Amino acid sequence: NAGVMQNPRHLVRRRGQEARLRCSPMKGHSHVYWYRQLPEEGLKFMVYLQKENIIDESGMPKERFSAEFPKEGPSILRIQQVVRGDSAAYFCASSPRVLAGASYEQYFGPGTRLTVT
Amino acid sequence: QKEVEQNSGPLSVPEGAIASLNCTYSDRGSQSFFWYRQYSGKSPELIMSIYSNGDKEDGRFTAQLNKASQYVSLLIRDSQPSDSATYLCAVNRKAAGNKLTFGGGTRVLVKP
Repeated sequence: NAGVMQNPRHLVRRRGQEARLRCSPMKGHSHVYWYRQLPEEGLKFMVYLQKENIIDESGMPKERFSAEFPKEGPSILRIQQVVRGDSAAYFCASSPRVLAGASYEQYFGPGTRLTVT
Repeated sequence: QKEVEQNSGPLSVPEGAIASLNCTYSDRGSQSFFWYRQYSGKSPELIMSIYSNGDKEDGRFTAQLNKASQYVSLLIRDSQPSDSATYLCAVNRKAAGNKLTFGGGTRVLVKP
């Protein structure tokens, strides 16, 4: 399967714990995006990464959230000290290398559904 | 004013009819436009992209873009019950890098 992979698909955490969400982009894609979909709300951009670089984190909450895309391995979205309001579906998307001034289609993974109890 | 606006629906369409979905956007600097389909509990699936004014057809789907009116639409011909889903309009603004801004989605119900 050459699609975007995310794991885990479902994650349950108690308040105060850490959540780690993983994303492997589609084969041949080097750009990763994270989006969050709160219950009954639209998709919101969080962060855009290339290997070893955060390109745009304008949608990331200022505290507790961080993201990385190391040279080797998947991209990771980390949420520290989770609260109930973090319960949502977190989607990762990927696109091919982006040329200046161009825009490329983004393909979404299956998502991670985070539940904070 | 929201950056990307869609009628939330539900849009109820008889099987075999044409479903017409609309999307307006506020930023004239927007350059790329996408339609995604999202089934309940699933992830968004890209069905159409359009970059220049006019129509673009792909199977039963036609996307229409009018940059002067800041309007993009999606037509679904010969609607099937399997087309019942939420359709998300997404816009990329050149000034915003490569991130997508989504509308709230239009829920479509195709009735047999």
